[in-house]
Amino acid sequence: GQNIDQPTEMTATEGAIVQINCTYQTSGFNGLFWYQQHAGEAPTFLSYNVLDGLEEKGRFSSFLSRSKGYSYLLLKELQMKDSASYPCAPQTGANNLFFGTGTRLTVIP
Amino acid sequence: DGGITQSPKYLFRKEGQNVTLSCEQNLNHDAMYWYRQDPGQGLRLIYYSQIVNDFQKGDIAEGYSVSREKKESFPLTVTSAQKNPTAFYLCASSINRSGKNTGELFFGEGSRLTVL
Repeated sequence: GQNIDQPTEMTATEGAIVQINCTYQTSGFNGLFWYQQHAGEAPTFLSYNVLDGLEEKGRFSSFLSRSKGYSYLLLKELQMKDSASYPCAPQTGANNLFFGTGTRLTVIP
Repeated sequence: DGGITQSPKYLFRKEGQNVTLSCEQNLNHDAMYWYRQDPGQGLRLIYYSQIVNDFQKGDIAEGYSVSREKKESFPLTVTSAQKNPTAFYLCASSINRSGKNTGELFFGEGSRLTVL
């Protein structure tokens, strides 16, 4: 079966750094996606990791450890518009994405 | 502009009625997907199709049906057999994962179905 564990909610201050963790157990694994979803909207792509290590992309970075079944998303210089849900989504051997519930991030002034 | 178009954006139906949600893409993507999202929950896969005239059940296919007669189109029918159909429905497409293609999903704007 598939199982994903992320914190349900997090709060951080504007300008700060926040790390959102994701642990997963899946049958088959090709890579892991992070998406951003604002309330009532469709998810938008943030990052993709297939190899172990850190991928940096502007204010957003994502890390993967395949052996540990662990990933995190790092958001720097937080802005109010970063308030959203952040689901991690392992990509299984069937070429499908299995989405976690997501971590609801609230950025406060 | 290339993208995915879902319609209608909002839909109300009475219990016992079937309803079909439209999804069209002009990205020339091979694979298409339907997800369901309930409030405060993650996306759950209903059906997916990796090639024309072929589709597979996802995790919650009961009470739903799909067709894939054209590459661009992947309509979803919510039948009266679906016990709790009120939800936000998202269609997505992707290039099949190979080489440099990651299999990233591109989403439509969603259709919000309410059963009265």
